[in-house]
Amino acid sequence: SQTIHQWPATLVQPVGSPLSLECTVEGTSNPNLYWYRQAAGRGLQLLFYSIGIDQISSEVPQNLSASRPQDRQFILSSKKLLLSDSGFYLCAWSDRGTGELFFGEGSRLTVL
Amino acid sequence: GQSLEQPSEVTAVEGAIVQINCTYQTSGFYGLSWYQQHDGGAPTFLSYNALDGLEETGRFSSFLSRSDSYGYLLLQELQMKDSASYFCAVNGNTDKLIFGTGTRLQVFP
Repeated sequence: SQTIHQWPATLVQPVGSPLSLECTVEGTSNPNLYWYRQAAGRGLQLLFYSIGIDQISSEVPQNLSASRPQDRQFILSSKKLLLSDSGFYLCAWSDRGTGELFFGEGSRLTVL
Repeated sequence: GQSLEQPSEVTAVEGAIVQINCTYQTSGFYGLSWYQQHDGGAPTFLSYNALDGLEETGRFSSFLSRSDSYGYLLLQELQMKDSASYFCAVNGNTDKLIFGTGTRLQVFP
């Protein structure tokens, strides 16, 4: 069966510090991969979308970046965090052509 | 671009039926999905409609009208555990899934 795991689950970072969130998927090959961000009490904002290794679409201009060094690994990074980067970050995968996303457990980031 | 609208909050009592509407504007359309999210948790998939009509899965049903750019999620025999946020989402002419702002459902005893 397929599983998705992301880490860390929670982190508190100072403004200007770097960020790295990692997500891995098991049990499937060549999935679509996604990073979403959710502010408290709000909807899910699509940040990055990838259909394959090194094929990443950035949806919102910001100080975040994403990389997909392996087929089932998706990394979200920042060189310098802003206060507005605080939120709940969700990694997800899907098979092609379906509307079903499978989400990781989420990473709650607080920037102080 | 793509946009989705759904009510921000709905309240109901246990055992009742509630309908959460979603209207969308999108360039290209593959399908409409629904997700449930409990506080502090990740969203979980409920249903997907690619064609017009009603899809039923247990107590939950989802409807789509492509000509009206409209869908709804119907929850029957409400239980306390159904209190959560519900999101509609569309994928247009790609596999990108764009989410609505969410509807918070509160079920009272």
